[in-house]
This record gives sequence, structure tokens and C-alpha cells, in this order.
Amino acid sequence: RKEVEQDPGPFNVPEGATVAFNCTYSNSASQSFFWYRQDCRKEPKLLMSVYSSGNEDGRFTAQLNRASQYISLLIRDSKLSDSATYLCVVTNSGGYQKVTFGTGTKLQVIP
Amino acid sequence: EAQVTQNPRYLITVTGKKLTVTCSQNMNHEYMSWYRQDPGLGLRQIYYSMNVEVTDKGDVPEGYKVSRKEKRNFPLILESPSPNQTSLYFCASRQGASQPQHFGDGTRLSIL
Repeated sequence: RKEVEQDPGPFNVPEGATVAFNCTYSNSASQSFFWYRQDCRKEPKLLMSVYSSGNEDGRFTAQLNRASQYISLLIRDSKLSDSATYLCVVTNSGGYQKVTFGTGTKLQVIP
Repeated sequence: EAQVTQNPRYLITVTGKKLTVTCSQNMNHEYMSWYRQDPGLGLRQIYYSMNVEVTDKGDVPEGYKVSRKEKRNFPLILESPSPNQTSLYFCASRQGASQPQHFGDGTRLSIL
């Protein structure tokens, strides 16, 4: 089983739609969680950190469910500019706190 | 401006010719890492460093070397590049163990 798993998509959604991505992780001792956005052939950029209480940043909402070991990202009112690959990132416990990336979920917002 | 700088951005070279990809960060971060990204495999860690003179292997270290003589620099060395090292490479740094990473722009390497 992969340490971090995501549905690769692609998710093709119309502008204005709400779309949700899930990500599961295997290490119950994982400590930090993030969503990154990556545009084609460019560097990943931090979208938001994910907290146990859930957090929101504009049209984006992230949730963490430790009991079920998954995190989610909800995008409301999708824009064309949201088209990208979304990477789920998990940091494990331990001295170095290894960072593990999911392979990404591709989102295509269509006019 | 806070940033991670990689050079070169693009390189085409031949098998066996030693090359170095430089990485420098100006944020005084302790943690630095190198990743490679290949289609369908996502980002895989090659090497990481927790501080000056402290480096360790990641998931795919074979064929690579690194050094961390100064806090800001973390070069990736391919002593004898081979075609299977053709990939997109990213350097990243972070302030602390649980902090998010900041990435360089990437280096696209083609080994013929």
C-alpha cells in the first residue's frame, strides 16, 4: 500500500462547480498535512496547510480526519485558473519528519 | 525575496559526463531536500539534509551524491549520469521539520 494515495483523476468540471478531492495516508503517526498545487512542469506551490479543526482560505476548504486517516480539499465556485494538479503531502513523525507526496489529482475546469 | 534557486533550469548531456545541479536558499532554512519527478510516479526524494554536514539518503539515492558545506547551498551531483536519470528535479527547503516546503523552479535533465 502506498504511504499517500490520491485519485489521479482527471476531474473535468464546469466553471462554478464545487469539487472535492480526498487523500488517504497509511502512517497513523503522521503529524503535518498540506495541499500543494502544481501547474504543468512547474514547481509545486503550497496551497494550504491542513489542521485537525479544518480550515478555510477563500474558496478552498481543507479537512483532516485522523481516525480514518484521510484529508480532503474542497474547491467552491471553480475558476478556469484552478486547473492544475493538486498534491497531497504528509509529514511523518520522527527526527527528520519525512515528507511524502501523493502522485496528485489533476483538475481541469472547463468553460 | 525569499526563494530557492536552482541552476541550470535545463540541461542536455551525455552518459557518463559528471554534472552538478546547484541549489541555494536565502531563508536560512535548516532542512533541504532533492526530489525527482517522473510521470505516474510523483515526487520521490533523492537525498535530504537536516543541517550543515548532515545528509541522508531518501527513497531513490542510487547514482546521486550531495553535500551540505554551507547552510544555504545543497548541490546535487551526478558522477556518471545515465539515461534513467532523465527527469525533472526539484530542490526544496523548509524552516522546521513540520513546516511546509518551498521549492525551486526545477531543473529538467536529459541524459542521452
